Amino acid sequence: GAVVSQHPSWVICKSGTSVKIECRSLDFQATTMFWYRQFPKQSLMLMATSNEGSKATYEQGVEKDKFLINHASLTLSTLTVTSAHPEDSSFYICSARPKREHAGEQFFGPGTRLTVL
Amino acid sequence: QKEVEQDPGPLSVPEGAIVSLNCTYSNSAFQYFMWYRQYSRKGPELLMYTYSSGNKEDGRFTAQVDKSSKYISLFIRDSQPSDSATYLCAMNTGFQKLVFGTGTRLLVSP
Repeated sequence: GAVVSQHPSWVICKSGTSVKIECRSLDFQATTMFWYRQFPKQSLMLMATSNEGSKATYEQGVEKDKFLINHASLTLSTLTVTSAHPEDSSFYICSARPKREHAGEQFFGPGTRLTVL
Repeated sequence: QKEVEQDPGPLSVPEGAIVSLNCTYSNSAFQYFMWYRQYSRKGPELLMYTYSSGNKEDGRFTAQVDKSSKYISLFIRDSQPSDSATYLCAMNTGFQKLVFGTGTRLLVSP
């Protein structure tokens, strides 16, 4: 149980295009989903927090117009990288927190590797 | 000072050894404590989850939380080469974002 999927797992795009990454909780409902970015040999960096039906809350320094987050249901959140540039190349990981009492843990997806040419 | 401190390692042990991984923290409001394992180019995998203080055991893994000392540990018994990965401690107050340690890289040699 507690499986989170991400799609695609790997994407290459040209500079200036937009890329959408999906995050799904497969066997549980998630009140909150989180989007992280990770550079090689570094820890996870939280980009934004999204609650179902609400606008996402972005961390300081993260451009909300560049990284669009939609949390349409209790099992699906999407991250769209708009007008991608080579510096946006990174490993993007989502996580989901279960909808239940005392749910402090998060379950992570397998990640999406984005390469912008 | 960081909210969560974790030795980055690397920690090298022979196969079969008992591994001890630790984190200290400064925020006494933390109530939820987690250990994640992350392989290269993969998302973190939740290994252990503890609410408040105490011990929790799952197979070869034991998690300990000492809130009075603000110290958490993960023990791995009979370590295997497949345990070689980065281990991240994480914690939060419940509804807030996770605060991570830097991660400890573990290498288990055959």
